[in-house]
Amino acid sequence: AQKVTQAQTEISVVEKEDVTLDCVYETRDTTYYLFWYKQPPSGELVFLIRRNSFDEQNEISGRYSWNFQKSTSSFNFTITASQVVDSAVYFCALRVINAGGTSYGKLTFGQGTILTVHP
Amino acid sequence: DTEVTQTPKHLVMGMTNKKSLKCEQHMGHRAMYWYKQKAKKPPELMFVYSYEKLSINESVPSRFSPECPNSSLLNLHLHALQPEDSALYLCASSQDERDSGYEQYFGPGTRLTVT
Repeated sequence: AQKVTQAQTEISVVEKEDVTLDCVYETRDTTYYLFWYKQPPSGELVFLIRRNSFDEQNEISGRYSWNFQKSTSSFNFTITASQVVDSAVYFCALRVINAGGTSYGKLTFGQGTILTVHP
Repeated sequence: DTEVTQTPKHLVMGMTNKKSLKCEQHMGHRAMYWYKQKAKKPPELMFVYSYEKLSINESVPSRFSPECPNSSLLNLHLHALQPEDSALYLCASSQDERDSGYEQYFGPGTRLTVT
C-alpha cells in the first residue's frame, strides 16, 4: 500500500518569506511518480510538477523549487519570496506502476498543507 | 490548452431529485476521472474511464452513475442522494491511464449541496 504524509497541516508566513512544504511518501514499488498540486480557494487543483522515481534531479521553476531525495523518501517543495497569491492548499501525491506494468490510475494524496501568506 | 470544464459550478438538490454533472476536455486525453472532495480533505477517487470504458469503480454507491458518451465528455448522474454526499465533485483527465506517469488535469469542480 502507498502512503503520503504531509505533516504540516497549516503554515502561515508573511509575504517575501521563504517557505518549505514537506512531503514524505511510502511505497514498496520501485517505479512511481510524485506530483504536487495547488488548490486555491476557487477549488480547482492546479498541476505544478511531476517527478519519476528514477529522476532525482532537483527542479526550479521561477520562485518554486522541489527537492526529491529517495534516501529519505521525501519530495519537498519550497516557495521563495512568497506572495499573497501563493495562499492555497498544497497536495503532494504518489502514483505507482503496479507489477507487470499495468497502471491503476490512482493518485494517493497527502492530507494537504494549508498555506496562508499575509501581506 | 490544459482546460477541463465542469458544469454547473454549484448545485443544490433534494434527496428525491435526479441531476447530472458534466465535464468536458478538448486535450485529446483518453482517461477521465471523477473525484469527491470533502472540506479540508484530499480528493477521493470515484471512477476512472479509460478509452471511454469504465476501468475503475472505487465501490461507489449506485446512486452515483457515471457515463462517458465520447472521449471528450464525462457525466455523473445523481439520484436519491443523501446529505452526506454534499461535497466538491472534481473531474480530471490525463493523456492515458495506462501509463501512470501522465499528470491529471482537474476542472474547477461542482459544489454540490444535498438538502
